[in-house]
Formats: sequence, structure tokens, C-alpha cells
Amino acid sequence: DIVMTQTPLSSPVTLGQPASISCRSSQSLVHSDGNTYLSWLQQRPGQPPRLLIYRISNRFSGVPDRFSGSGAGTDFTLQISRVEAEDVGVYYCMQATQIPYTFGQGTKLEIK
Amino acid sequence: QVQLQESGPGLVKPSQTLSLTCTVSGGSLRSVDYYWSWIRQHPGKGLEWIGYIHHSGSTYYNPSLKSRVSTSLDTSKSQFSLRLSSVTAADTAVYYCVRYFAKPQAWFGPWGQGTLVTVSS
Repeated sequence: DIVMTQTPLSSPVTLGQPASISCRSSQSLVHSDGNTYLSWLQQRPGQPPRLLIYRISNRFSGVPDRFSGSGAGTDFTLQISRVEAEDVGVYYCMQATQIPYTFGQGTKLEIK
Repeated sequence: QVQLQESGPGLVKPSQTLSLTCTVSGGSLRSVDYYWSWIRQHPGKGLEWIGYIHHSGSTYYNPSLKSRVSTSLDTSKSQFSLRLSSVTAADTAVYYCVRYFAKPQAWFGPWGQGTLVTVSS
């Protein structure tokens, strides 16, 4: 199985300041079709996860443009340009390149 | 707008079979682009992909659960289902049904609200 490792596990951030979460996979996420299937999910307290980013950098419908994704191969990053109160929650990276699909352990974003 | 809603028993006895149903509204289970999937989250912990089913009948499961998992789809009711046999306390989790848009898009969304299943005698 591909192991997904996120850092940091907890990120206290000041409102209006940027935040960054890293995700590293135990092997390359480049699929045989040439695409890289790395997604980012947000889980607000008491809510199910929701999709933010797919295929490294594509924002899902309705996701604010302060969220952006980047990376390649085995190293990926989710960036929030200016953190808002509604961004509090746990963020997960997920790979859909190889079955079984696997998730990072989650990064808890909280406000200082 | 597509919405998914899980239903089923919240308590299952050890060694028995867990059965959940997901009802889909606002979309068709017959779409060739989508698979209908199950993902679970152990209390206070991370996420685990269980598997998914396509309306063609194709299924893909997590190898760690494959011997105990089965899924089915009923397009007439706009529902798909999960069965997990021989459950233990380790299967206690919130179970989510989720739509998966197949490659080359490969994204999971939307998610149902989730249903907590506790395995206990």
C-alpha cells in the first residue's frame, strides 16, 4: 500500500495569515496514464470530509481560490493564502493512483 | 445537486454482518463516469477506503477487507449497499458513502453525512 505522510500534524495559524500543509507519498503517484491522482480534503468539526483539490492542483467546484495545491511525484503541498475562521478543521491528502486508495493521517488547522 | 444519505443499524454484534444502504438523490447511478464508494473513519482517527461499485457491475475493494466485503447497486431505488461480514470491534467506525468520478478525473465527492456503526455485544 502507498503510505501518505502529512506534516505538520497540527498547525496553529493567525487569521489572515497563510498556511501550508505538506504530504509525502511512499512511492510516486504518477499513474500509467501520466496523471497524478492526489487530492486534498477538508473535514470541519462534526462534518463529513469534502473535496477541495483533485489531481494536485484542480480546485473543486465552489472551493475558494485562497486554496491551492502544488507538487509532483511524491511531494505535495496544500496552501491557504489567507486563513479564515471557517477553515478550521482537519485536512487530509489522498492518493487515487493505486488501489487501495490511501489517506494521510490528517493535519489539524486551528486558530491561534 | 447530488446528495447521498447512509442508513442502517447503528449497532451490530460481533461475528455478524454489517449492512448499510446509501440513497442517492439528484443524480443517476447509471452514469458511466461514476463509481459508488464506501469509506470509513474509525473514531477519532483517519480515513480508510473500503471499495466501490460501478453500474456495470464492476467492483474494486481494499485487499485488507476484500474477503469480507460485498457491494450491490439497485438503480430502480437509486441505492447502493455495503455488506461487511464477520465484524469485530475493529470495524466500529463512521461509514460514509461517496461518489467517485473515475479517472482521468479521479475525485471523491460529494460525501454522505456518515453513519456511526458500533460493533458490540
